[in-house]
Amino acid sequence: AQSVTQPDIHITVSEGASLELRCNYSYGATPYLFWYVQSPGQGLQLLLKYFSGDTLVQGIKGFEAEFKRSQASVNLRKPSVHWSDAAEDFCAVKAAGNKLTFGGGTRVLVKP
Amino acid sequence: SQTIHQWPATLVQPVGSPLSLECTVEGTSNPNLYWYRQAAGRGLQLLFYSVGIGQISSEVPQNLSASRPQDRQFILSSKKLLLSDSGFYLCAWLGHLEAFFGQGTRLTVV
Repeated sequence: AQSVTQPDIHITVSEGASLELRCNYSYGATPYLFWYVQSPGQGLQLLLKYFSGDTLVQGIKGFEAEFKRSQASVNLRKPSVHWSDAAEDFCAVKAAGNKLTFGGGTRVLVKP
Repeated sequence: SQTIHQWPATLVQPVGSPLSLECTVEGTSNPNLYWYRQAAGRGLQLLFYSVGIGQISSEVPQNLSASRPQDRQFILSSKKLLLSDSGFYLCAWLGHLEAFFGQGTRLTVV
């Protein structure tokens, strides 16, 4: 069965500093990979998605992700964090079939 | 464009009362629809998904049920709520390349 792991429950970063959120998945082939952001009390907004091709994917709000097949990972990065990036970020995997499986999420706290 | 409507936005219900959360989709036909629950401080747990009218797959045993009475309508129900049913419930439509989410329902069982 497919699974998604986000090892970091919380990450605290200073405004202007770089951010990297980890995500590992378990699946036999290359799935479709997604990163979503959830602001407090809100639904989910898609940051970026990876299906195939270039392993470095650009998303919205200055986010990017690098897909590494050998490590079964798709880490989310941002070179310079803004206070508005304080939120919870979720990695998700869509493999064969109709299921979209989410990781446990990483809550990002931004210090002024 | 595709949109998902989910209501109500917030709900406070006593233990033992029934529940009905509704989700409707616009801008697509025969969508794959999903119900997720997000408990406090936890990730999103897939509860049910449906690939068509009357077709429901349950991911985890629980006190809840789901129904798909129409192509673009997905309903989450319970006959008797438990305290542990509290959480944030999200409806989603999964297209070929992306998932679209409703704004969620925050359910508090008291």
